[in-house]
Amino acid sequence: GEDVEQSLFLSVREGDSSVINCTYTDSSSTYLYWYKQEPGAGLQLLTYIFSNMDMKQDQRLTVLLNKKDKHLSLRIADTQTGDSAIYFCAENRASKIIFGSGTRLSIRP
Amino acid sequence: NAGVMQNPRHLVRRRGQEARLRCSPMKGHSHVYWYRQLPEEGLKFMVYLQKENIIDESGMPKERFSAEFPKEGPSILRIQQVVRGDSAAYFCASSRRETEAFFGQGTRLTVV
Repeated sequence: GEDVEQSLFLSVREGDSSVINCTYTDSSSTYLYWYKQEPGAGLQLLTYIFSNMDMKQDQRLTVLLNKKDKHLSLRIADTQTGDSAIYFCAENRASKIIFGSGTRLSIRP
Repeated sequence: NAGVMQNPRHLVRRRGQEARLRCSPMKGHSHVYWYRQLPEEGLKFMVYLQKENIIDESGMPKERFSAEFPKEGPSILRIQQVVRGDSAAYFCASSRRETEAFFGQGTRLTVV
């Protein structure tokens, strides 16, 4: 398909891990990104991964890339209330950065 | 090193007026991207520019919309004869090369 796909909603309990999944489209995409957007704000680049990597870890964030299946995931360990936001997956496709529709992460006490 | 600066943050225009949105990229960044976000939706690519050149405008509506990134000064997204459907948040991003892109806080355009 043409679109970068993500599930729309995810609800997790505070302290648990959150896993947000994404399917992208272009196997030649060189960079894949995760952005975070809080209400009324711009997009914050959380992390990105080169297509020749299969994992990247940065503090509480772990990105896994399955290039064969064009599947990208973001794991947030020990999810906190401050992690409530919309998370966008994006791919660098032919010099454009194409975004998914975003996954809204909500945290239960 | 200041981030990507967009102004104004909020812009109200009457139908038929022109809207001019400005984006100053991060220092040293020569690539600029514009995106539009409708409420509760993702970001839709509009245009990708390098200094003085439009590289990809495949996401720009054919009429009323234009973008530039002059040698000196900010990138400008211009919407002529605005209509209610143009109401959205417009985000600009900049990058040094075609790698990670950093976003501004956006301009929220309201057409009344």
